[in-house]
Amino acid sequence: DAMVIQNPRYQVTQFGKPVTLSCSQTLNHNVMYWYQQKSSQAPKLLFHYYDKDFNNEADTPDNFQSRRPNTSFCFLDIRSPGLGDAAMYLCATSRGAWRRPEDEQFFGPGTRLTVL
Amino acid sequence: SQELEQSPQSLIVQEGKNLTINCTSSKTLYGLYWYKQKYGEGLIFLMMLQKGGEEKSHEKITAKLDEKKQQSSLHITASQPSHAGIYLCGADPSTSSNTGKLIFGQGTTLQVKP
Repeated sequence: DAMVIQNPRYQVTQFGKPVTLSCSQTLNHNVMYWYQQKSSQAPKLLFHYYDKDFNNEADTPDNFQSRRPNTSFCFLDIRSPGLGDAAMYLCATSRGAWRRPEDEQFFGPGTRLTVL
Repeated sequence: SQELEQSPQSLIVQEGKNLTINCTSSKTLYGLYWYKQKYGEGLIFLMMLQKGGEEKSHEKITAKLDEKKQQSSLHITASQPSHAGIYLCGADPSTSSNTGKLIFGQGTTLQVKP
């Protein structure tokens, strides 16, 4: 089945040790998003790609970077994770970026990041 | 910046009972999305409402959009244990153009007791 896949599902890293989270999609969607969701909070958009165009949210810390080498894959790099970066990281994709049901966002299962 | 407020924050109902979850926006809504999230998992799209007065249904879940009130409601009829989870409303905060970005409410946690 076409889907959004995130690896790993659980990631443990040490304070300050770089970590990379992976997202892949078989939907051939143009847009890919990364959200951060802390415990009992709403998902918060970090950045998104429309094709190769990168769009960073104004309040996303510089510590967070992203790469999209091709349509299918998108990576979230956390250069120096702090304790406050422990969260669920959700990847989503959509065909387009219009406000219409056809451009609904499909979410992956998430990667839960623990920082020791 | 736009904010979405959901009420109630949590809800426990007996199986078979009806329930309603509300989502109120601090600014004009240009479309409202409803998602469901099971604990520790990703979000599943339920439906999107685009116009004031619009109402959509998916199985036993109905959502309405009241543009004037900047509010949407999600109603579940004859709740079942499978309805348990976290319900999130989302909206595109951009006023000038379509961006595809979403902001979310804090979520409503629903438990359904058999």
